[in-house]
Amino acid sequence: NAGVTQTPKFRVLKTGQSMTLLCAQDMNHEYMYWYRQDPGMGLRLIHYSVGEGTTAKGEVPDGYNVSRLKKQNFLLGLESAAPSQTSVYFCASSYFGTGGVHLHFGNGTRLTVT
Amino acid sequence: GEDVEQSLFLSVREGDSSVINCTYTDSSSTYLYWYKQEPGAGLQLLTYIFSNMDMKQDQRLTVLLNKKDKHLSLRIADTQTGDSAIYFCAGISNSGYALNFGKGTSLLVTP
Repeated sequence: NAGVTQTPKFRVLKTGQSMTLLCAQDMNHEYMYWYRQDPGMGLRLIHYSVGEGTTAKGEVPDGYNVSRLKKQNFLLGLESAAPSQTSVYFCASSYFGTGGVHLHFGNGTRLTVT
Repeated sequence: GEDVEQSLFLSVREGDSSVINCTYTDSSSTYLYWYKQEPGAGLQLLTYIFSNMDMKQDQRLTVLLNKKDKHLSLRIADTQTGDSAIYFCAGISNSGYALNFGKGTSLLVTP
């Protein structure tokens, strides 16, 4: 039982390049999320999904796109990377039950855009 | 939805108690959460409290909720060096599906 797995762990991009961050969960959770973590800013929600085939915008969605074609996978895309997207990206999954939403996080992807 | 604020740094000696504080804005929030982040890792759920409770205890952790002042605290008894980490409080967002996190409190435990 791996939980939430993110690939890659590290990536360096040049301004204008594109890439896709992959997230996979094996807990059969309905909900999945992408957050970014920046020093002094805490975690900010980029996009989330409440089920296969659905996505919704979070607090900071600009410059990102997502897809949830399969329940277990949630992909985050950067079409044209900018230095402001240098951050640590966390994927999480959850279900809604007793205690509300309990997010399970991956170990993060550290992205640097030069 | 929930906006949360917390102090950024706390330093304590090993064996002392740590108290991490958080304030929130939405009094209708049903649950409030504490997460822990160790270096190089993702966040892990430590504990949570339902809004109709004043206190919840879980081994060395005690959560206190003051609904009148919209204040949440996490007390760690007998703090150990392994407790050094960033601690986040969180509340449910407007959508009802995600969490809004505070900026995190860095706890440093010194021998």
